[in-house]
Amino acid sequence: AQSVAQPEDQVNVAEGNPLTVKCTYSVSGNPYLFWYVQYPNRGLQFLLKYITGDNLVKGSYGFEAEFNKSQTSFHLKKPSALVSDSALYFCAVRPPYGGSYIPTFGRGTSLIVHP
Amino acid sequence: ETGVTQTPRHLVMGMTNKKSLKCEQHLGHNAMYWYKQSAKKPLELMFVYSLEERVENNSVPSRFSPECPNSSHLFLHLHTLQPEDSALYLCASSQDIGSNSNYGYTFGSGTRLTVV
Repeated sequence: AQSVAQPEDQVNVAEGNPLTVKCTYSVSGNPYLFWYVQYPNRGLQFLLKYITGDNLVKGSYGFEAEFNKSQTSFHLKKPSALVSDSALYFCAVRPPYGGSYIPTFGRGTSLIVHP
Repeated sequence: ETGVTQTPRHLVMGMTNKKSLKCEQHLGHNAMYWYKQSAKKPLELMFVYSLEERVENNSVPSRFSPECPNSSHLFLHLHTLQPEDSALYLCASSQDIGSNSNYGYTFGSGTRLTVV
């Protein structure tokens, strides 16, 4: 069975500083990995995905994520945080074949960017 | 708007009431989903429909009853709910499920349900 762990309930960072939101996964085979963001009173919005190829994936709003197979991680990063990045971030994983192909989501990490 | 519309945005209901949540998408997607979001818990998949047929039901209590009359509409019928069912209910859609579904999901803004 596939699973996702987001070990931090909350990440605090000052505006202008780099940010990292952590995600580790467990899945059979090479994973398909996703990051979503949820702003207050809104649904989840797709940020980026890793399917294959370059381990560094670039997405919306200046975010990027690095796939590390040996560490089974897919951490979300941004070089310079903005106050408007404050939101809830979800990591998701699904296997490339077999099963229902439906992603499993983590519990979310609240990112708070301080002015 | 993302292309997935959920109504109502907020709902307060008593434990003996019957109500329905509605989801609508005009993205041409073939798959639709209901998720339950509770604070500090993983997003919980409830139901999956593909081409109007239910393909997955993750042991959801029978007090939740889904309906998919066509590929653009999805309902979640609620009856005799419990206070612990209070949560944000999210609808999502995707082009397809299966091996080609490596695209992201499109989510609605959710219905905030409070059971009193």
